[in-house]
Amino acid sequence: QQKVQQSPESLIVPEGGMASLNCTSSDRNVDYFWWYRQHSGKSPKMLMSIFSNGEKEEGRFTVHLNKASLHTSLHIRDSQPSDSALYLCAASPSNNRIFFGDGTQLVVKP
Amino acid sequence: GGIITQTPKFLIGQEGQKLTLKCQQNFNHDTMYWYRQDSGKGLRLIYYSITENDLQKGDLSEGYDASREKKSSFSLTVTSAQKNEMAVFLCASSMWGESSYEQYFGPGTRLTVL
Repeated sequence: QQKVQQSPESLIVPEGGMASLNCTSSDRNVDYFWWYRQHSGKSPKMLMSIFSNGEKEEGRFTVHLNKASLHTSLHIRDSQPSDSALYLCAASPSNNRIFFGDGTQLVVKP
Repeated sequence: GGIITQTPKFLIGQEGQKLTLKCQQNFNHDTMYWYRQDSGKGLRLIYYSITENDLQKGDLSEGYDASREKKSSFSLTVTSAQKNEMAVFLCASSMWGESSYEQYFGPGTRLTVL
C-alpha cells in the first residue's frame, strides 16, 4: 500500500493563478514532510520542508501541515510557467527512510 | 556544498544482461539511496545504506543487488535486465541521525533495455 497519497495527479493553472497540491500519509509514525520539485529531465530538488503543525511561507510558496490528519498542502501563488514541474511529496518517520508519493504534474499556461 | 555524480548517464543493455550503475557523493553524507523512477511517476526505493558496508532493502529490491564499497560510493546492479525496460535510476544521499533529513539527488542514469 502506498504510504503517501498525492492529489490531484495533474493540474493546469493559468499564469498568475494559484496552484494547490495535496498530500496525505497513511503511516501514523510519520513526523517529517517535504515537498520536492522535479523539472522535466532533471533530478528532484527539495523545495520546502515542514515538521510542525501550521504554515510556512517562502516567497510565493506556502505549505500547511496538519499532523493529526497527516495532511500537508503546497500552495503556489502568482504561478509562473517556470513552476511547471512534477511536485513530489515525501514523508518520513524518524528513521531516515523517506517515502515518496507519485507526484502532481503541474502545468502553468501562459 | 557538494555534488553527486552518477555513471553512466545513459545505459543501453540487452535482455538478460547484468548491468552496473555507480554513484559517488562528496557531501560526506552517511546515508545513500537508490531509487527507480518510471516516466512521469514517483520514486520507488530499491536499496539504501546507512553507513559503509550496510545494506537495507527497499520496496523494489527484487532483481537488484547493491554494494556500499566506501562512504562516498554506492553501486547498483541490475541482475538480469528485462526486455523493453525503460527507467531512470536516481542516487541520493543524506545525513543520518535521530531525525530525518533532506535528500540530495544525482542527475540519474537512464536505462533502456533492447
